[in-house]
Amino acid sequence: AQKITQTQPGMFVQEKEAVTLDCTYDTSDPSYGLFWYKQPSSGEMIFLIYQGSYDQQNATEGRYSLNFQKARKSANLVISASQLGDSAMYFCAMRENSNSGYALNFGKGTSLLVTP
Amino acid sequence: DTAVSQTPKYLVTQMGNDKSIKCEQNLGHDTMYWYKQDSKKFLKIMFSYNNKELIINETVPNRFSPKSPDKAHLNLHINSLELGDSAVYFCASSQATAGEQYFGPGTRLTVT
Repeated sequence: AQKITQTQPGMFVQEKEAVTLDCTYDTSDPSYGLFWYKQPSSGEMIFLIYQGSYDQQNATEGRYSLNFQKARKSANLVISASQLGDSAMYFCAMRENSNSGYALNFGKGTSLLVTP
Repeated sequence: DTAVSQTPKYLVTQMGNDKSIKCEQNLGHDTMYWYKQDSKKFLKIMFSYNNKELIINETVPNRFSPKSPDKAHLNLHINSLELGDSAVYFCASSQATAGEQYFGPGTRLTVT
C-alpha cells in the first residue's frame, strides 16, 4: 500500500503568491519523520524541510513551512512568495523509525510551475 | 566541496553488459543508500547500508550487488543489464538517527 500520497500531479502558481503542496501519509509507527525534497529540471534532489512526529511546532525553513496535522496524517508544504526558480518537482517522503534501514518512502511528486 | 558524489553522471550501455556506479560521501555519515528513480519520476529504495553492513535489500534482482568498502563509499554493480534497468540511480547518505538524507547528483543509466 502506498505510504505517501501526493494528490496533485501538477500545480500552477503566479510569482509572489503562496502555494500549498499536499501530502498525506500512512503509518502505524509512532516515531517517524516527514521530509520534502525539490527536484529541479537539472535532476538533483534538494532537501527542503523536515518534521519529526514528536515535534510540537510546524517546521519552517525560510520561505518553506510544513503544515503538520498529525491527526489527519497530513504534511503539506507551503511555499510563500513563489519565485520562478521554485518551478520543479516536489516530493514528500516519510521515514519510519522502526525501520532500521532508515530508508525514505517517497510520494509520486507534484510538478510545480511558477508563472510570471 | 561536494557532499555526496557519484560517478559516472551518465552511463549508456548495451543489454547484457556489466557496469558499476560509484558513490562517495564526505559528510561522516554512517548510513548510505541507493534509490532508483524510474521514467515516471518515482523514487524507490533499493539498498541501505549502515556502518558497511547491509540493512535493507528491497525486492531488487540479484543482478544488482551493492558493495561498501568503507563507511564513506557505497558502490552499485549491475550484471547482465536489461532494458528495464534504464533509470536514474541516486546515492544518498545520512546519520542513522538524524533527519535528512543528502543525495548525490544521480547517475542516468540508459540500456540500449
